[in-house]
This record gives sequence, structure tokens and C-alpha cells, in this order.
Amino acid sequence: DTAVSQTPKYLVTQMGNDKSIKCEQNLGHDTMYWYKQDSKKFLKIMFSYNNKELIINETVPNRFSPKSPDKAHLNLHINSLELGDSAVYFCASSQPSTANYGYTFGSGTRLTVV
Amino acid sequence: QQQVKQSPQSLIVQKGGISIINCAYENTAFDYFPWYQQFPGKGPALLIAIRPDVSEKKEGRFTISFNKSAKQFSLHIMDSQPGDSATYFCAASMAQAGTALIFGKGTTLSVSS
Repeated sequence: DTAVSQTPKYLVTQMGNDKSIKCEQNLGHDTMYWYKQDSKKFLKIMFSYNNKELIINETVPNRFSPKSPDKAHLNLHINSLELGDSAVYFCASSQPSTANYGYTFGSGTRLTVV
Repeated sequence: QQQVKQSPQSLIVQKGGISIINCAYENTAFDYFPWYQQFPGKGPALLIAIRPDVSEKKEGRFTISFNKSAKQFSLHIMDSQPGDSATYFCAASMAQAGTALIFGKGTTLSVSS
């Protein structure tokens, strides 16, 4: 199936731990994103990569580090997890150069820090 | 600064009724305005989108109305069904690499049967 897939779907971890979320898209898109959805469902852009190059880096703590080994993958590593990092993290991809600019989102990773 | 303002926060509509969700934006450089639908436990899914060169776009029961001078756009769901119960997000961006969708805060729609 063509899609944006992210793993794991659920992640429960203790404060201070380091964790990673992986994302892969097989849509052939050049641009990938990480969004954070808080408990009030607000979606906020964190990072954007275009063809492996970091394009957008919003005011996110530097404990968050994205990595794009190739244009089909965008991973998110989080160091020293804090309670406030608990949220749903969505990966998405798009192809800005085409008429169909719509983002395709993954199904999300629910991170709970205890 | 919230660049895309969405209202109402929640909406209850009877089956068969019309659901209307409104959004306003601030950045006149935005040229792409999509609506996303999100069900619990799922990622947002693109519902319908419009560019500022048209004032209305219709796809099935879903219509976007766009008012460039007022910097407003709205989603109309005709003949609302219980299966439409979800959270709806408006968004805006410049349709080019290096920019990202800015989302409204979402509207939770409940369609009662």
C-alpha cells in the first residue's frame, strides 16, 4: 500500500530516557514533516526536510533531533524526555512542485512520558 | 501569533443538516487552503482544498467557499451524516518547498442521528 508509515504507534517511557520514532513514505514525495499534536488537538509544525535537507526548524527544544537518511525516511530522536513531551507525533509527506500539494499523514505515534 | 483562526471549536448538527466551519487567515502570501478530517486514533486526511483564484470548490457533499478580500474561507458539509463525526482542521500555506501547513485549532463535529 502506498502510505506514510510510522513506528511505533504507542510509546510509553520514563522521564530522562531517549527514544526514536521512525517514518517512511513510499509516495515518492520530496518533502517530509514532523508535526506535534497536543492534548487539545492543535497541530504544530516541528521540522521539514526537502530531499534530505533540513528546511524548517521551528522553535523546538534541541533535545529533538530529526534525521533523514534518504528522502523516503525521516526519523525523530528525542533526548532526555520530559513530561511535557507527551503528545501525538505525526509524520507527513508532500510534493510541493505538483498541483496535488496535499499532505499525506501517518497514523501517528502516541508518546507518553511518565 | 495565530495565523489561522478557526471557529467554532465544537459543533453539533442533526443528521441531514448543514455543517459550517469557518476560518480566517492573516498572511496574504498564503495560496493554498486545505481542509483535513481526523478520526480518533488516525492521522489527518485531506478532504478538499482550494487555491485563491476560485471562490468555491465542491466535491460531493463538501464545499469550500473562499473570500479573498475578507481573508476567510469556510467548509460546508451538506446532508451531514453520523459518519462525518470527526475533527476538522482548516490550514493554509504557500504551495512551495520550504513552507509548511499552518493549521487552525480544529472543530469537533458531532452529527446526531
